[in-house]
Amino acid sequence: QKEVEQNSGPLSVPEGAIASLNCTYSDRGSQSFFWYRQYSGKSPELIMFIYSNGDKEDGRFTAQLNKASQYVSLLIRDSQPSDSATYLCAVPGGNTDKLIFGTGTRLQVFP
Amino acid sequence: GAVVSQHPSRVICKSGTSVKIECRSLDFQATTMFWYRQFPKKSLMLMATSNEGSKATYEQGVEKDKFLINHASLTLSTLTVTSAHPEDSSFYICSAILRWGSETQYFGPGTRLLVL
Repeated sequence: QKEVEQNSGPLSVPEGAIASLNCTYSDRGSQSFFWYRQYSGKSPELIMFIYSNGDKEDGRFTAQLNKASQYVSLLIRDSQPSDSATYLCAVPGGNTDKLIFGTGTRLQVFP
Repeated sequence: GAVVSQHPSRVICKSGTSVKIECRSLDFQATTMFWYRQFPKKSLMLMATSNEGSKATYEQGVEKDKFLINHASLTLSTLTVTSAHPEDSSFYICSAILRWGSETQYFGPGTRLLVL
């Protein structure tokens, strides 16, 4: 059974700081990784996905993948209070179409 | 981008009644849709995988006779909660895959069900 682990948080950072969210996964064969953001009371929305080792940048968001160490991170630069949400990491479930989600890390950005 | 809608956004019903929730892919055809349930401050729980034209695949512990899933077209999947009880009150969210072989899921806005 594939597992995806995240620290539940909350992770509190001041406005303008870099927020670093981490995710580890159990299956060395995982090829793709997804980050979703979920605001309280809302459904998840896709932030970005990454397939290759290294960094992938999209605006203030950077995903970092290290397959050897089996972790994927999401960095949020210049954090804003509007970034306060739960961030979910997900990996594909192997031979199925489904995604295996972590329990999410709650991020709080305070002014 | 890929847009997924759900209807209704919230529903209140009496215990013992059945509730149908619709999930539609608005600008693409979705051969596969997923149904999740989420309790307050808890993580997403996958209930079932819905494939167009075939029976849904339910996760362990999910009663298929209680949560009826129909995926009759490439743009519509429905979840019917039969004989709903207060413990079925939850946030039900669907998602869809943009194309066959893709792993990226796009989520609908969710349906909040309250069973009195």
